[in-house]
Parts: sequence; structure tokens; C-alpha cells
Amino acid sequence: SVLTQPPSTSGTPGQTVTISCSGGNSNIGTYPVNWYQHVPPAAPKLLIFTDNQRPSGVPDRFSASKSGTSASLAISGLQSDDEADYYCATWDDNLNGDWVFGGGTRLTVL
Amino acid sequence: QVQMSQSGAEVKKPGATVRVSCSASGYTFINNDINWVRQATGQGLEWMGWMNPKSGNTGYAQRFQGRVTMTRDTSIGTAYMELSNLTPDDTGIYYCASGTIGPWGQGTQVTVTS
Repeated sequence: SVLTQPPSTSGTPGQTVTISCSGGNSNIGTYPVNWYQHVPPAAPKLLIFTDNQRPSGVPDRFSASKSGTSASLAISGLQSDDEADYYCATWDDNLNGDWVFGGGTRLTVL
Repeated sequence: QVQMSQSGAEVKKPGATVRVSCSASGYTFINNDINWVRQATGQGLEWMGWMNPKSGNTGYAQRFQGRVTMTRDTSIGTAYMELSNLTPDDTGIYYCASGTIGPWGQGTQVTVTS
């Protein structure tokens, strides 16, 4: 993927974990970033849209930021049911404006 | 409540074509683009393409060009995704989504096996 995420991360209950998403000027540097939580086979859930906005119903333990060509998602007060795959997504001018996903990060709660 | 409901699981042979449907409810169907995303077995989420339900205009990810067709029936608020020339690598879960921040369908398992 043109968006690079760490394949995996882990934390213990109560901890804060951060997941990074690195891109370039044609994608993150130009377009807003969304973040999704996915526990297959269920549908992915929107956690963050437009870089740092939480949809209603998403706890404020989830926060995100963007700087230049990188974005990050932070999960504070880690809980066991946060164990999931997390994906960043945006658009990319080099791909004709296609929507692109990061490779995903598997979060394990120890 | 906005909901996207997809058709049931499919089992296909290599070389066949699969059609997955996605029925929208709780909003005006033509107001939001429909995106199709898949998760092939053991892989991450992958965007396949989009369709504007009002105009029928589509845009497909390069890797699916020539194999995917997205259509709709506005009279019943349903979008369709057809993927042809299936191979075992196409096995996975296929999702529709309303725009990029709207709800997703529950997913449709597509299995390609001889």
C-alpha cells in the first residue's frame, strides 16, 4: 500500500497505544484521513473522519492527528475489546484519486 | 436508521462471475456514492471502486479494471458489484459502504474453489 502502517502493536489494559500511518504528498499531504476498526468478518467501523473527528458514539478514548504526510491514531485507556485491526484511509492523486487503505495494524491487548 | 444489507455467501468455480448486491435503507439512495471494499483471505482492506447511484458513473481501482462492473437499480435502492474471471485469490469478504464515512454492509463471503 502507499500508506504504511506497522503490522502489529500491543498494549496492556489501561495503557495508551499509538498507530502510525505514513504516506506522501499525493495522499495524506493533500486529503483528509479516516480511521477504521475492523474485527472480521464484521463490517469495519468508522472511528475517525477528516483527520481528527469522531462520529457520534465513538468514545473519546480514540483520538487522531495529522501532520504533513503522516497521521496517527491514539487509543487511551486500552480495553480488551479494542483488540482489532486498524486501518487508515485516504485518497491518492497518483492513483487517479482512488481511495486507498493502509496495510492495517493488528492491535493485541495483552 | 441508515443500513446497508448485502446478499448471502457465494461459492464459485475459477473463471466464473460473482454478483453481490447491496440494498440501502434509511436514506435517499441516490444521495451517496457506493464504495466496494474487499478483504481477501489473509489480506487487508482493499478498495475496489465506487459508483454514483444518481448518474451511474463509476471508478474502478486499476487492479480490478476489466474484471469489475458496478451497477445499480434506483427503483429498489440497490447497488451491484460483479467480479468476473474469478480465481482462488479472490476468495474473501466483500463489503459495500455508503460514501466513505457512512455505514457498511455486513459483508458477503465469496469463496472461489474448484
